[in-house]
Parts: sequence; C-alpha cells; structure tokens
Amino acid sequence: DVKVTQSSRYLVKRTGEKVFLECVQDMDHENMFWYRQDPGLGLRLIYFSYDVKMKEKGDIPEGYSVSREKKERFSLILESASTNQTSMYLCASRGSIQYFGAGTRLSVL
Amino acid sequence: AQSVTQPDIHITVSEGASLELRCNYSYGATPYLFWYVQSPGQGLQLLLKYFSGDTLVQGIKGFEAEFKRSQSSFNLRKPSVHWSDAAEYFCAVLNSGYSTLTFGKGTMLLVSP
Repeated sequence: DVKVTQSSRYLVKRTGEKVFLECVQDMDHENMFWYRQDPGLGLRLIYFSYDVKMKEKGDIPEGYSVSREKKERFSLILESASTNQTSMYLCASRGSIQYFGAGTRLSVL
Repeated sequence: AQSVTQPDIHITVSEGASLELRCNYSYGATPYLFWYVQSPGQGLQLLLKYFSGDTLVQGIKGFEAEFKRSQSSFNLRKPSVHWSDAAEYFCAVLNSGYSTLTFGKGTMLLVSP
C-alpha cells in the first residue's frame, strides 16, 4: 500500500521556536511537496523538490525552508515560528499520481 | 498560468440524492485533471483522474467525472450520495512541465438525512 507518512499529527510550538515537520514516502518518488491548508484559501504550495538536494519555491515560501537529503524524506523547517504559521501542513509525493500524508496540524502560540 | 475554479463553496445534498460538483479549469493544452476528497482532519485521497481517452472516467466510491473540453469543465458526479460522502472535494490540474498541481479552493459537501 502506498504511504506518505508525516511524523506528527498535532504539534504545539511557541513563537520563535525552530520547527521541523518530517515527511517520508515509500514509493521511490522523485517529486515531493509541502502545502499549507487554511480555511477559505485551499491548498497553497510552499516548496517542492524534484530530486535529492534539489528544491523549488512554491507560491508561499516566505518563512519556510526545506531539506531533502534522502529521496524518501522531505523536511519542512520553520526557522522562527510565528503565530501566522498556525495551519494544517500537508506533505505529498508524486509519480504519475500525487499521494498525500494525513497532515500535521501546527499551532504556534 | 493554469487555474482551477470550483464555484460552489458549500453544497448540501439529501442522502440518496444525486450529486454534481463543478470544476472549471484554465489550461492551454490537453489537461491532466484530478479529483481528490478530504475527510475532516485527514489528508487528501485521490478519487479519479483524467489523462486522455474516454472523457467519462470512473473512480472509487462510486464517483465519476466527465471531461468536456468545449466547456473547460471536469465535473464530479455520483448518482446516490451516502452520509459518509460528507467531506471536502478538490479539483486539480497538472501544470505545464508536469511539475506541480494547481488546486481549486474546494467544495464542502454536506449530506442531510
């Protein structure tokens, strides 16, 4: 069965903390993605990666960075979390079909 | 740039009634189109896809969608809705260069008894 696994379902962090969101896929996909989802705004692409150590900015990269050291793992990093980064974060990977993880709901207090 | 419009933010359907969710896209060439469903607190699950060929595509959970090039539409249908279909539905198009998907803002389906 296809799997995209996000390390946490829920996270609560303090303003200014460095936050890591981890995502692992078991399908040997080259393409991986990070989105954030907010009510009324749909899914917005933060960053994507088409190969190990390669990354591309999406629509809303400000305040975020990413790391892809291994093909199966794609990490989203909030260097200094802010309250406006409270959101649902979705990881995805794609071959011919894009598969999503279950999401991480992040609250920044 | 590609875009996807889902005109209905919310739709309420009675259980057992038929359903049609609208999706319009903007894309120059033949699009690759998708419908995803998201249950509360979950990730997105693929319902069906259109790449080429037959314009009526069948998906999981009894859903189907019809690609109409002349109308730039890819509407999702189900003949008889079940309470478990209550969820948010997203239409998406694969962007040129096949790098990313552009999603619509979603339609929330409510099912009344």
